Amino acid sequence: KNQVEQSPQSLIILEGKNCTLQCNYTVSPFSNLRWYKQDTGRGPVSLTIMTFSENTKSNGRYTATLDADTKQSSLHITASQLSDSASYICVVRGGSQGNLIFGKGTKLSVKP
Amino acid sequence: NAGVTQTPKFRVLKTGQSMTLLCAQDMNHEYMYWYRQDPGMGLRLIHYSVGEGTTAKGEVPDGYNVSRLKKQNFLLGLESAAPSQTSVYFCASRPSAGGIPPYFGPGTRLTVT
Repeated sequence: KNQVEQSPQSLIILEGKNCTLQCNYTVSPFSNLRWYKQDTGRGPVSLTIMTFSENTKSNGRYTATLDADTKQSSLHITASQLSDSASYICVVRGGSQGNLIFGKGTKLSVKP
Repeated sequence: NAGVTQTPKFRVLKTGQSMTLLCAQDMNHEYMYWYRQDPGMGLRLIHYSVGEGTTAKGEVPDGYNVSRLKKQNFLLGLESAAPSQTSVYFCASRPSAGGIPPYFGPGTRLTVT
């Protein structure tokens, strides 16, 4: 079954600290992997998208990595800010119909 | 550009009532989607459209109908609302080419009592 699992479910960090969110997937065939940020009460916004041949991609303080062999991805946030408080959703495009398969998200809280 | 807009933002329905959620996009995107988001679950695809006049079922289509009469609009209908349809509904759109990820609307929070 095509699945996307994220960990941890929630995370609290202090402002200025770094953190890493994890995503494991069992989607086959694999097309690409995206990370979205979803602020409370808003729709998801795309942060990064990586294909099979890409193993790292950055967007400002956000750096995503992809290991297609182990089917794992991570999202590293550097020097966190209060505005980073949000849910981060890992989404894999793939499967026989090329659909988007969403993880449940990691809820990040950045405290002052 | 307004991007993807959804109407209404909030709605409370009684069981058995009907309603239509409107999604509009001004980016000339071919593909449009309706998702629902429930606590503790990932977004799930209800219906989608790959162009004007076309619709297709997603992962959880039961109890919903859709129409795409105009390229810029995608309507989601609930014919007879049930408490299980209490959720936050997101519309999304993307162009057909280029591998660009979908743009999401702000969501509609629906409560069915």
